[in-house]
Amino acid sequence: DAGITQSPRYKITETGRQVTLMCHQTWSHSYMFWYRQDLGHGLRLIYYSAAADITDKGEVPDGYVVSRSKTENFPLTLESATRSQTSVYFCASSERTFLFFGSGTQLSVL
Amino acid sequence: GDSVTQMEGPVTLSEEAFLTINCTYTATGYPSLFWYVQYPGEGLQLLLKATKADDKGSNKGFEATYRKETTSFHLEKGSVQVSDSAVYFCALSPAGGTSYGKLTFGQGTILTVHP
Repeated sequence: DAGITQSPRYKITETGRQVTLMCHQTWSHSYMFWYRQDLGHGLRLIYYSAAADITDKGEVPDGYVVSRSKTENFPLTLESATRSQTSVYFCASSERTFLFFGSGTQLSVL
Repeated sequence: GDSVTQMEGPVTLSEEAFLTINCTYTATGYPSLFWYVQYPGEGLQLLLKATKADDKGSNKGFEATYRKETTSFHLEKGSVQVSDSAVYFCALSPAGGTSYGKLTFGQGTILTVHP
């Protein structure tokens, strides 16, 4: 199916564990983004990528790592999860116009 | 830095009522402005946009006008439906057209429409 897909849809983990959230898009968009959504904060940019092997920090990058070895994939890793990283994570892609969002991953860190 | 402020929510309306959700922004130059909508359990979808002053974006009966003088981009709809119940986000993209999706979002406004 064409579009942008995220997995898993829901994830529960424990403090200190490593977690990877997956994002895959089929449009071959150059740009990809990771946002987190928290009550009272709207969406905040974590990391973004302009192309394969090009990534850069957004507003709230601490505690996260990204990679982009292929244009279509943009995984987000929490190296050592903390409770403050409990959130809904959205991946998005764009080709200079506007963002297309995935359905999100709801992550709970206990 | 850039910022977007939306009216405090949530907003609860009866079907066919008039809707206004206020949005003001702080940014240099002429940013592009957007309204995104998030239906329950889904990701955000672009609702409408405006890229220059006095532009009016419209879609699905919703409208918003880019007001440079008041730095505002208020969302309006003349007659809401139950199916409009969702979270609405105002967002901006910096001037210059080089941000490619690095948007600054408002905090979101929850809209509930009752029959």
